[in-house]
Amino acid sequence: GENVEQHPSTLSVQEGDSAVIKCTYSDSASNYFPWYKQELGKGPQLIIDIRSNVGEKKDQRIAVTLNKTAKHFSLHITETQPEDSAVYFCAASADSGGGADGLTFGKGTHLIIQP
Amino acid sequence: GAGVSQSPSNKVTEKGKDVELRCDPISGHTALYWYRQSLGQGLEFLIYFQGNSAPDKSGLPSDRFSAERTGGSVSTLTIQRTQQEDSAVYLCASSLTGTGEETQYFGPGTRLLVL
Repeated sequence: GENVEQHPSTLSVQEGDSAVIKCTYSDSASNYFPWYKQELGKGPQLIIDIRSNVGEKKDQRIAVTLNKTAKHFSLHITETQPEDSAVYFCAASADSGGGADGLTFGKGTHLIIQP
Repeated sequence: GAGVSQSPSNKVTEKGKDVELRCDPISGHTALYWYRQSLGQGLEFLIYFQGNSAPDKSGLPSDRFSAERTGGSVSTLTIQRTQQEDSAVYLCASSLTGTGEETQYFGPGTRLLVL
């Protein structure tokens, strides 16, 4: 099955600086890579996703890059703000199984924005 | 419309008791997923429903766990003879049709504590 590794586990950055979180995956059949943000006491919320036919996607201060050859993808947050503080999860899914295998998640990155 | 809802939001039970967790997916979503989130284990996929059918139940942690879905809508996850290691947050998600590339929308979770 799929295995997703995520690092770092904790990331502390100064407000206004950029943050980068990296993930690798093992199953070359995976073709959908969402990123979720989870705040304390809440469920994960999708912030951006990328599919294997795209190398990069951007939405305002958030961008995701995908390298299928190397099997890694990254989340980039620019101009970080206090409200960006949360736990971020990367995930991977292969369409070949439909939704039947669910999403395989990384273990999460606790992002701390220092004022 | 309303998002995914789960009840109860918190549940404290004694070891050996049975518990039932409920998930109401987004209206019109045919696919429904259960995940478990525990400290140190990240988000773990448990089971997937397409309509009322669960094609693969092998992700359930033990035979004390069961899930059903009726009317293509509400789902219940039942844990029999709870153990302390069952303590975790149980998250439900739904998606429109269940393909592997679809966005999964998560509920707020049920926090289960087994004493």
